[in-house]
Amino acid sequence: EAGVAQSPRYKIIEKRQSVAFWCNPISGHATLYWYQQILGQGPKLLIQFQNNGVVDDSQLPKDRFSAERLKGVDSTLKIQPAKLEDSAVYLCASSPQGRYYEQYFGPGTRLTVT
Amino acid sequence: QKEVEQNSGPLSVPEGAIASLNCTYSDRGSQSFFWYRQYSGKSPELIMFIYSNGDKEDGRFTAQLNKASQYVSLLIRDSQPSDSATYLCASHRGGNQFYFGTGTSLTVIP
Repeated sequence: EAGVAQSPRYKIIEKRQSVAFWCNPISGHATLYWYQQILGQGPKLLIQFQNNGVVDDSQLPKDRFSAERLKGVDSTLKIQPAKLEDSAVYLCASSPQGRYYEQYFGPGTRLTVT
Repeated sequence: QKEVEQNSGPLSVPEGAIASLNCTYSDRGSQSFFWYRQYSGKSPELIMFIYSNGDKEDGRFTAQLNKASQYVSLLIRDSQPSDSATYLCASHRGGNQFYFGTGTSLTVIP
């Protein structure tokens, strides 16, 4: 079974630029999560999708971050404009419907904002 | 106050010993708890989850939950050098409310 795929793996941008990350969850997994992990900290949940609907985006900084999951499969997370403090690893995870305790993480995208 | 607190370590144990990792949480409404292992530069991997008071064993790993004390622990028996990693404790209240601690770094010395 293929795991969660993410791209790109690394990205370096200047502040005020925009960036987008892509995630393809494990086939059949209804729930998709985006996390932000700053160096030396635990992952922070940004947004959770159930199929193509948002379950909760209360921790997503909506003034600059946006996310979508069209057709209930792939998802993109966008930052516009980026700030220095957005430098982090952005992790995507997925789980089967109703089994939130079985989150499988992708390899992450390491973002550096200069 | 952070939702989930962990001692960042580092914790060092000799090979073959028992490693004990601890975690406390602030929200009494938290329902289930998770232990993830994260190797340097890699993504987290789920080790165990627990939602009932008491112990839960899986191979060399035992998770312990004490809701009265708001305390979760992970014991690793017969520690191996390959267990050297950061261990993340997480809580789940419901819906989108997952909270991770900052992790405890474990080094198993051969």
